[in-house]
Amino acid sequence: GNSVTQMEGPVTLSEEAFLTINCTYTATGYPSLFWYVQYPGEGLQLLLKATKADDKGSNKGFEATYRKETTSFHLEKGSVQVSDSAVYFCALSDRFSGAGSYQLTFGKGTKLSVIP
Amino acid sequence: DTGVSQDPRHKITKRGQNVTFRCDPISEHNRLYWYRQTLGQGPEFLTYFQNEAQLEKSRLLSDRFSAERPKGSFSTLEIQHTEQGDSAMYLCASSKDRAGVYNEQFFGPGTRLTVL
Repeated sequence: GNSVTQMEGPVTLSEEAFLTINCTYTATGYPSLFWYVQYPGEGLQLLLKATKADDKGSNKGFEATYRKETTSFHLEKGSVQVSDSAVYFCALSDRFSGAGSYQLTFGKGTKLSVIP
Repeated sequence: DTGVSQDPRHKITKRGQNVTFRCDPISEHNRLYWYRQTLGQGPEFLTYFQNEAQLEKSRLLSDRFSAERPKGSFSTLEIQHTEQGDSAMYLCASSKDRAGVYNEQFFGPGTRLTVL
């Protein structure tokens, strides 16, 4: 079956520090990969996505590259801000694993706290 | 901005009672998903509708759970004879179907269920 493993948190960084949150996956097919973010008190929002190998997803200064050879999709940001404090979820969608439903399989989430 | 809405936002019930949650997707979205999220975990897929048809159900969806989407618009998730293990955040998401293409799932704010 499909699964996503991401680094455990919480992660605490000072403002302007470099961020990496590791994510690796196991999939039966050729998945699409995503990072979702959940800000305090809000619902999940798609942060970025990549649909094929070597694709780089990017948004709001965050980047992640789809590495098929290492089955990874690590999230990076060069300089975090206090407003980036949130829980980050790595996820995959493998439409061949479930009648083309595009259901998402999520990791457990990594809580990021950025201090001034 | 008419995003995905869920009602109620919070529900406290006693063990053995029945509860029903409602999800209103974005109006032009024909796909609707239900997920469950417990503390410290990522969301887990429960079930999926394409229009009014329920096309996939997770093994997590026991016989006490039932979901409907009459007329392909809003959806309800009912839990009968609730148990303390049902305490979780229930998330609804919707997306627009384009064959062979993954479309972003937009999530609602969730309904937090507490079973006493």
